[in-house]
This record gives sequence, C-alpha cells and structure tokens, in this order.
Amino acid sequence: SAVISQKPSRDICQRGTSLTIQCQVDSQVTMMFWYRQQPGQSLTLIATANQGSEATYESGFVIDKFPISRPNLTFSTLTVSNMSPEDSSIYLCSVDLAGGNTEAFFGQGTRLTVV
Amino acid sequence: GDSVTQMEGPVTLSEEAFLTINCTYTATGYPSLFWYVQYPGEGLQLLLKATKADDKGSNKGFEATYRKETTSFHLEKGSVQVSDSAVYFCALSRSNYKLTFGKGTLLTVNP
Repeated sequence: SAVISQKPSRDICQRGTSLTIQCQVDSQVTMMFWYRQQPGQSLTLIATANQGSEATYESGFVIDKFPISRPNLTFSTLTVSNMSPEDSSIYLCSVDLAGGNTEAFFGQGTRLTVV
Repeated sequence: GDSVTQMEGPVTLSEEAFLTINCTYTATGYPSLFWYVQYPGEGLQLLLKATKADDKGSNKGFEATYRKETTSFHLEKGSVQVSDSAVYFCALSRSNYKLTFGKGTLLTVNP
C-alpha cells in the first residue's frame, strides 16, 4: 500500500490568486495523477504527473491554468492559477503502485473554496 | 468516450437492511471495474475490484460481479451496518491506467 499526504487539507482563497497543493508519497511510485471533484460531481482526471518531463493533460485542462511539477518519484505539486469561484472543488492526488489496472491510492484531498 | 453511471443517492437504510447500488458503464475493450469508498473525513479507498467478465470482487461483506452482457457492476451487501455510511464510487480503468468515475452515491445507515 501507499500513504499519501496532501497539503493543505483545505483553503479559502481570493479570486485571481493561485494555490499550490503538495502531494507526498511514502514510497517511490511510477504513476501519479491529479483529479478534481466539483461539488455534486464525479472525480475527473486533470493530468498525469510525469517525473522529469511535462505533465500530460486531459481534454479541457491546460498547463497555464493547472501547472504541475514532479521533481522526483515521491512528490508532486498542482497549482490552481488565477482562481475563480468555478475552481472551488476537492483536488485529489492519486498514485498507482503497480502500473495500472490494479489499485490506485488516493490522498485525503484538498478542499478549495474560492471567494 | 468511457463513462460510468451510478444510481443516484442519497440512499438511507436501516441497520441490517440489504444494499444494492447500481452501476453501469460504457467503454471499449475490456476495462477493469472498481468500487471505491470514501468515509467521512477520509480519502478514497479501494473497496473491491474485478478485472474480467464474470469475476466477482468481494470485501468487508460487499460484493460486485462484472457482467459484460449488461455492462454492469452492481454493489451489494446483505446486511449493512452504521459503519458502512459513506460515499461509494464506481469506476473503470482501461490499459491507460486512468480511472473514470461515477458521480458517487451517499449511503446513510441508521441504527
């Protein structure tokens, strides 16, 4: 299994500002992902965080809005830039230890409210 | 594209009642299917999974069978407990490792 720590657990931010969310894993992992859960909606994949290269973004998500870093195999950050109230969501970090189709582990999430 | 449709909640049951949460999916190929659970204040945890047709996943008294003919993966438990109160997510994954989730179903079990 894996223990995933996300920081902060929650925040209230002013529109127009940016917030960086950190994800720390207690072991080296190949695959790291960032998801968003908007109020009343399902989880949606934002991007795959690739170690040593640019993240791979899903349709509807762009690097300028959600820059991601992955400096090593245990750590990643997601920044929500130039925030608006529509960005109010829970953001979750996820890792897959065995390379897919087995089990994904999730952090507790960061609950973001933009006012 | 891939999609997962879950029974809408909330679902409220009395302790020891029978639980079914319906889940159907749309995907090409042969996805793996999962049920995740999110207890209050905690992160998502894998509850059970099935990786091929007719497989049955089971854990903590919960079961779900991968039905390719009906593209379904319904979650069942014969006797729920108060501690089962949580949000349940059905999800699928294909070989690209990415999970596609349903909207989640809030279950409340009353004593």
